Amino acid sequence: NAGVMQNPRHLVRRRGQEARLRCSPMKGHSHVYWYRQLPEEGLKFMVYLQKENIIDESGMPKERFSAEFPKEGPSILRIQQVVRGDSAAYFCASSASGEGSGYTFGSGTRLTVV
Amino acid sequence: DQQVKQNSPSLSVQEGRISILNCDYTNSMFDYFLWYKKYPAEGPTFLISISSIKDKNEDGRFTVFLNKSAKHLSLHIVPSQPGDSAVYFCAAKRGGSQGNLIFGKGTKLSVKP
Repeated sequence: NAGVMQNPRHLVRRRGQEARLRCSPMKGHSHVYWYRQLPEEGLKFMVYLQKENIIDESGMPKERFSAEFPKEGPSILRIQQVVRGDSAAYFCASSASGEGSGYTFGSGTRLTVV
Repeated sequence: DQQVKQNSPSLSVQEGRISILNCDYTNSMFDYFLWYKKYPAEGPTFLISISSIKDKNEDGRFTVFLNKSAKHLSLHIVPSQPGDSAVYFCAAKRGGSQGNLIFGKGTKLSVKP
């Protein structure tokens, strides 16, 4: 039973390019959460999705960032026109319910913007 | 405004002794608290949690204590082992929120043989 799968593990983008981060939740999990960790910081909530629905995007920057969790396939976090400040580790977590206590995290995607 | 604070960036403990990691919070609406452990280049792993209606929860070598009046919780690890060396994050959830966890900045624990 595979855990939460994130790919790629490392992603390098030049300023102005687009970054696409993928997250496949654990089998049987229909709730997905994205978090960002800046250097020397804790994880910051970005967005919470269920299949085909965004439940809470209160932590998502208003511009350039978007997320989806389609009926089929992984959840995608998309960052358009990346800037150096987007460099961070992006973690995805999934759970069977939305209570927050049964999260399982993936290993993260390390985004570097050059 | 940091709602969950871990004021010690690092902690060093001898193997076999007790490790005590501390966490303070400011939001009285938090009703659930969790501790996560994180190794470099990996995602956080859930360790132990506690509901705001309890003051203690124990799981093997790990015990979490909650002092609601002081808005303080602590994680005790006893006995500490070298494999416990990692960054420990305290997290909190607001009552009624759907899965949005607020994390502290973490404490790096080093357990020396």
